[in-house]
Amino acid sequence: EAQVTQNPRYLITVTGKKLTVTCSQNMNHEYMSWYRQDPGLGLRQIYYSMNVEVTDKGDVPEGYKVSRKEKRNFPLILESPSPNQTSLYFCASSLRSNSYEQYFGPGTRLTVT
Amino acid sequence: EDQVTQSPEALRLQEGESSSLNCSYTVSGLRGLFWYRQDPGKGPEFLFTLYSAGEEKEKERLKATLTKKESFLHITAPKPEDSATYLCAVNRGSNYKLTFGKGTLLTVNP
Repeated sequence: EAQVTQNPRYLITVTGKKLTVTCSQNMNHEYMSWYRQDPGLGLRQIYYSMNVEVTDKGDVPEGYKVSRKEKRNFPLILESPSPNQTSLYFCASSLRSNSYEQYFGPGTRLTVT
Repeated sequence: EDQVTQSPEALRLQEGESSSLNCSYTVSGLRGLFWYRQDPGKGPEFLFTLYSAGEEKEKERLKATLTKKESFLHITAPKPEDSATYLCAVNRGSNYKLTFGKGTLLTVNP
């Protein structure tokens, strides 16, 4: 089944404790992206990757890191999480950078205390 | 600054009562406008892509249209299962960022 998977689905952590949210897709997509969704603010793009080893900032990249060492994986790293990063996170992928139908993962609900 | 504004924020319809959702945008070099549906607790699900003014696309009870400044999502004879948040997004020409509107929460009562 074609899908985007994220792990963990739920995470409660404390301020400053490094964490990684994994994202994997099995569709051989070139383009991958991370979003956060907050009430009243909607979906905002954090980082995106147009292909392996090619990443760029979205609209809200502060406090996040990403890497794209393999085509299928695009982990999101929070090196020192803060409470304002409490949010619902979505990973998405699409076939090519100019093929815009994006497939979204199920989401990761992160709480930072 | 590029902006995507959706209206209304929330819309409540009776089953069978047709209506439209609006997405207005101010971007330069638009490469595409997208509609997604999002159910509570789930990731957005792709509906349509529109690339140029005058383009229209249909899927079941939904029809999306695009002008130079806005897009409409027309819902004909909606059913309760059409209840969801509908998101509009635009892709700008100079890079591959995607900017989403805040969405319209549609509720269809039986």
